[in-house]
Amino acid sequence: SAVISQKPSRDICQRGTSLTIQCQVDSQVTMMFWYRQQPGQSLTLIATANQGSEATYESGFVIDKFPISRPNLTFSTLTVSNMSPEDSSIYLCSVVSGGNEKLFFGSGTQLSVL
Amino acid sequence: QKEVEQDPGPLSVPEGAIVSLNCTYSNSAFQYFMWYRQYSRKGPELLMYTYSSGNKEDGRFTAQVDKSSKYISLFIRDSQPSDSATYLCAMKEGFSGGYNKLIFGAGTRLAVHP
Repeated sequence: SAVISQKPSRDICQRGTSLTIQCQVDSQVTMMFWYRQQPGQSLTLIATANQGSEATYESGFVIDKFPISRPNLTFSTLTVSNMSPEDSSIYLCSVVSGGNEKLFFGSGTQLSVL
Repeated sequence: QKEVEQDPGPLSVPEGAIVSLNCTYSNSAFQYFMWYRQYSRKGPELLMYTYSSGNKEDGRFTAQVDKSSKYISLFIRDSQPSDSATYLCAMKEGFSGGYNKLIFGAGTRLAVHP
């Protein structure tokens, strides 16, 4: 399995500001994913980030709000832009490793927006 | 109707009990079934992985898939306080030439008390 480091682990931000979350993997992976986990709700896929191409966003998520970078096969960032209290959530980075079906997660970023 | 339904609990059991966690789903194309365990303030950790129908056992954990009923289960024998966590079911369709995203249940919170 892949070891995924994510930071910051938590942050408290002011409305209208932006936060960039970093995700580092200990091995090269083709596909990286960003999820949002809101209390009492299912994990929701925000976007898929492949190295060398634009991220693919799921319905309800747009690049202006959640820009993603994927500069190489071990690193990605997710920015939460122009934040509002509704963006308060846990954001998780994940990768596919050891076979197409197995998804592994970082420890998550707990974001609170005041 | 959600694609994957999971009772959120919480489920509270005494140490040593047998725990049964369940999910139902509506998409008959799902072929891969997983269970994740998530401790507080941590990312989900892959616990069990099953392809198609049948049982899989790993130590105190047994995963069952009944595709005819669109129902999956996770059994925990001799439950321990360290099993206290949120358990997420997840599933995806079979290979179709591209990556099929995982669909998650909302998670069941389990508390095992001494």
